[in-house]
Amino acid sequence: NAGVTQTPKFRVLKTGQSMTLLCAQDMNHEYMYWYRQDPGMGLRLIHYSVGEGTTAKGEVPDGYNVSRLKKQNFLLGLESAAPSQTSVYFCASYNRREEQYFGPGTRLTVT
Amino acid sequence: AQSVTQLGSHVSVSEGALVLLRCNYSSSVPPYLFWYVQYPNQGLQLLLKYTSAATLVKGINGFEAEFKKSETSFHLTKPSAHMSDAAEYFCAVSDRGGTSYGKLTFGQGTILTVHP
Repeated sequence: NAGVTQTPKFRVLKTGQSMTLLCAQDMNHEYMYWYRQDPGMGLRLIHYSVGEGTTAKGEVPDGYNVSRLKKQNFLLGLESAAPSQTSVYFCASYNRREEQYFGPGTRLTVT
Repeated sequence: AQSVTQLGSHVSVSEGALVLLRCNYSSSVPPYLFWYVQYPNQGLQLLLKYTSAATLVKGINGFEAEFKKSETSFHLTKPSAHMSDAAEYFCAVSDRGGTSYGKLTFGQGTILTVHP
């Protein structure tokens, strides 16, 4: 099992550009999440999904959109990137036994 | 809303010394509690979790944590630090019940440095 994978690993964007981050899991988990990690702030929940075709807002959803068209994939989109979105983004999936599995992260820089 | 406070953004210990990382939560109902570890340029890995009546929880790599309801604390300890324990550690909480959907609220993180 690959677990949770994220694509790409690194990306540099200019302000106003758009991009999509892809998260894939092969554990057949229903629940998936996107977090962002900033120094001194821990991880904060952006959006989450409790099943194919469902999405919901987390703590810091502004400026992001998500889609869950397939159970194994959870996409995070930035329509118009801003420097405040420079961060490390983590995807996770949940086995409903109170255990989240995290991907390796995507380091995004917006200039 | 849940909140988690980790006391000390940086902790430094000598190899072989006791490791103590502090975590306090705010909730009127005891939540599920977790410790995660993050090694440089990697994702988060679950160290241990508290979900039931057993207040002393043992995890991987020799770590353990004790849930103290009266102190709303869930401090992480290890009797003897190894160089390989150097990493960032996150305390996290999750509400009990189906409508929590497993969402985690994280503390700010504590960077553990281990000196030879």
